[in-house]
Amino acid sequence: GAGVSQSPSNKVTEKGKDVELRCDPISGHTALYWYRQSLGQGLEFLIYFQGNSAPDKSGLPSDRFSAERTGGSVSTLTIQRTQQEDSAVYLCASSLPRAGNTIYFGEGSWLTVV
Amino acid sequence: AQSVAQPEDQVNVAEGNPLTVKCTYSVSGNPYLFWYVQYPNRGLQFLLKYITGDNLVKGSYGFEAEFNKSQTSFHLKKPSALVSDSALYFCAVIRSNDYKLSFGAGTTVTVRA
Repeated sequence: GAGVSQSPSNKVTEKGKDVELRCDPISGHTALYWYRQSLGQGLEFLIYFQGNSAPDKSGLPSDRFSAERTGGSVSTLTIQRTQQEDSAVYLCASSLPRAGNTIYFGEGSWLTVV
Repeated sequence: AQSVAQPEDQVNVAEGNPLTVKCTYSVSGNPYLFWYVQYPNRGLQFLLKYITGDNLVKGSYGFEAEFNKSQTSFHLKKPSALVSDSALYFCAVIRSNDYKLSFGAGTTVTVRA
């Protein structure tokens, strides 16, 4: 595709519900990132996938958060038992594998937990 | 460890005047430096990057940035600002052998007509 595609663009959910956020990276990009942007916290790294390597999950804030990447392409970020502090913009990004390649971001999924 | 500082939360300029958004970084090893812009309710758009070579980097929408190794800075500049440049700007750094982007806190630029 032309760019990184994310869905849904907006999601309002009730506290305690599970949510799934989807990311479709740029075709041919083997590196995929999830970041979270929230007021007062700036941009936080969540998780990184590169090809078939084990993902770097070091930024996931709790065990309620998980992510997978199927077939080396589409990724899903899952938040279980959502809390109000999970309200944020979840940004997906992709790039070619080597450091220094431009990392391109999607438009984000805006999550509100009520 | 790596980190980025954007010392100004806000920058206000008049249209037609020069615009500068400051960024300093701390990283072990060689840095790769990036600038992104975020318009309201949008994702991050790539503006420019420094990897190696010429210290002056030119990017999208007339923006440029100068890499200064001795001052560990990578300030973003535009000679003549437009109202449409009003947005949130992020500086980011990666170590040359790493993959995680570390972002600054962001600087809100307001260009008044």
